[in-house]
Amino acid sequence: SQTIHQWPATLVQPVGSPLSLECTVEGTSNPNLYWYRQAAGRGLQLLFYSVGIGQISSEVPQNLSASRPQDRQFILSSKKLLLSDSGFYLCAWSVEFHSNQPQHFGDGTRLSIL
Amino acid sequence: GESVGLHLPTLSVQEGDNSIINCAYSNSASDYFIWYKQESGKGPQFIIDIRSNMDKRQGQRVTVLLNKTVKHLSLQIAATQPGDSAVYFCAENIEGYQKVTFGTGTKLQVIP
Repeated sequence: SQTIHQWPATLVQPVGSPLSLECTVEGTSNPNLYWYRQAAGRGLQLLFYSVGIGQISSEVPQNLSASRPQDRQFILSSKKLLLSDSGFYLCAWSVEFHSNQPQHFGDGTRLSIL
Repeated sequence: GESVGLHLPTLSVQEGDNSIINCAYSNSASDYFIWYKQESGKGPQFIIDIRSNMDKRQGQRVTVLLNKTVKHLSLQIAATQPGDSAVYFCAENIEGYQKVTFGTGTKLQVIP
């Protein structure tokens, strides 16, 4: 069966520090991969998605970036964090080439910026 | 722009009763709909989905109804249990698009 892992589960970072959140998927090949951010009590905002290695689509201009160095690895990064980057970050995967398939989410990273 | 929204932000239900969570969508081109359950501190969990060529689909204790005429989606939970307490999101997708649009969520509170 397929599994998705995100780490760390929680992270506290000072303003201006760099960020690297990692997500890996097991049990499937060539998945579509997604990064979302969720503010407290709100819905999900799509940040990036990827349909293959090295292919990244950005949905919201901001100081975050994403990379996909391997088929089942998706990384969310920032060179300098802002206070507004605080939130709950979720990684998700779905079956390749099929848009009418559900996305499956990891358990998220709670990021607090001080 | 087009969006997916929910009628009720919070729904309180007595344990054992049935729950109905509603969702309105505005993009008539959407042809695939999903319901997710999100417990506190966790990622959304897939519950059930439905394609636009159907108007009803049943799972274990859950039923999704789709009314394309009025662009309305609902999730029915039978015999609601305390473990059903969570935030429920509806989401929509269009064939050929990789992105899914999520609603803002409804919080379901089960009263013991």
